[in-house]
Amino acid sequence: DVKVTQSSRYLVKRTGEKVFLECVQDMDHENMFWYRQDPGLGLRLIYFSYDVKMKEKGDIPEGYSVSREKKERFSLILESASTNQTSMYLCASSLPAARSYEQYFGPGTRLTVT
Amino acid sequence: AQKVTQAQTEISVVEKEDVTLDCVYETRDTTYYLFWYKQPPSGELVFLIRRNSFDEQNEISGRYSWNFQKSTSSFNFTITASQVVDSAVYFCALSEQRGGGFKTIFGAGTRLFVKA
Repeated sequence: DVKVTQSSRYLVKRTGEKVFLECVQDMDHENMFWYRQDPGLGLRLIYFSYDVKMKEKGDIPEGYSVSREKKERFSLILESASTNQTSMYLCASSLPAARSYEQYFGPGTRLTVT
Repeated sequence: AQKVTQAQTEISVVEKEDVTLDCVYETRDTTYYLFWYKQPPSGELVFLIRRNSFDEQNEISGRYSWNFQKSTSSFNFTITASQVVDSAVYFCALSEQRGGGFKTIFGAGTRLFVKA
């Protein structure tokens, strides 16, 4: 079974703090994704990565950066957290990019910025 | 532009009723993929089905069936004889190639309540 784990289920941070959200997958997937989920808006893609050190912007990359130094790990960084970044953050992974395969999701991190 | 519309925000049915969840997409690509995912109250999204743009064959899996029509850019999902365990948020998604990978866009989701 594919396992995608996220470092925290719940996180509370203060405005202006630097926040790291970590995601690890154990199935040797090339593709990894970060989404945020907000009521009424569904899942919105922040960044995705199709290989180590490779990244592509999604629809809402502003205020976020990512790091993929190892294949199994994809980190989302909030350089200076703001209250409008309070959300549920979901990480996912999938098989390589020859075709688009289903994504396997982690349990999510609910981030609150106060 | 890439877009997925799930016009139904919430649907409420009584157990054993059939229910159809609508999904309309927009894309300029000729090669793309469509997905449905289920998010139960426990929270973790679960993959249900994937279709590529060259395969318009409808699919049935138990009580679930999917109707893909390129002419109307729709990929609708029907649950036959719904059960309480079907209560969840259902997401339709569209994936297109971007750069070295595939970018996936999700609809806003449809929350399904199945009452006993």
